[in-house]
Amino acid sequence: GAVVSQHPSWVICKSGTSVKIECRSLDFQATTMFWYRQFPKQSLMLMATSNEGSKATYEQGVEKDKFLINHASLTLSTLTVTSAHPEDSSFYICSAPRQAFFGQGTRLTVV
Amino acid sequence: SQQGEEDPQALSIQEGENATMNCSYKTSINNLQWYRQNSGRGLVHLILIRSNEREKHSGRLRVTLDTSKKSSSLLITASRAADTASYFCATDAGRGAQKLVFGQGTRLTINP
Repeated sequence: GAVVSQHPSWVICKSGTSVKIECRSLDFQATTMFWYRQFPKQSLMLMATSNEGSKATYEQGVEKDKFLINHASLTLSTLTVTSAHPEDSSFYICSAPRQAFFGQGTRLTVV
Repeated sequence: SQQGEEDPQALSIQEGENATMNCSYKTSINNLQWYRQNSGRGLVHLILIRSNEREKHSGRLRVTLDTSKKSSSLLITASRAADTASYFCATDAGRGAQKLVFGQGTRLTINP
């Protein structure tokens, strides 16, 4: 079946630095990918939809300049957390439009 | 905003017992899905039920959907310690959109 691979699975970074998270569809092409965020013991909240060949669509309340999303190709979408702060520490997870397929998630810790 | 409300928020049962989790939603849907998430891990898709279906089975899982009440339930029969996880329902946003709105989840603990 279709597989979505997310990298890295965890990352620790210093405040003020940027972190890039990659999401790849391994055996299918995806013109869109969805990015979710999950705080500890909470549910997943959709952050944005990346679109191949056009700008990402952000959900209300999500800072576009802070969470840069790039759909570089039909198999790769990236989320860059810029100027990270401790409150950005969270679990970030991507999914393909085929709703059954989620990446493994990335646990970001900002210190 | 989160559409799904799940109850209970936490459930602890003995191995071998059945576990039932409920999910309610607010708007019309095309389908509803259930996912499992082990602590700190990604999501595993369990089952999808379409709006025109009332019940669906997959192994030890049984999902029901009542669109008149805007609710769904997930039943896990003969629970095992390995079923310990958080379970989330998720609904699509409608109009062919494939982004999902997740419920708050139920943390299920199976005691050996």
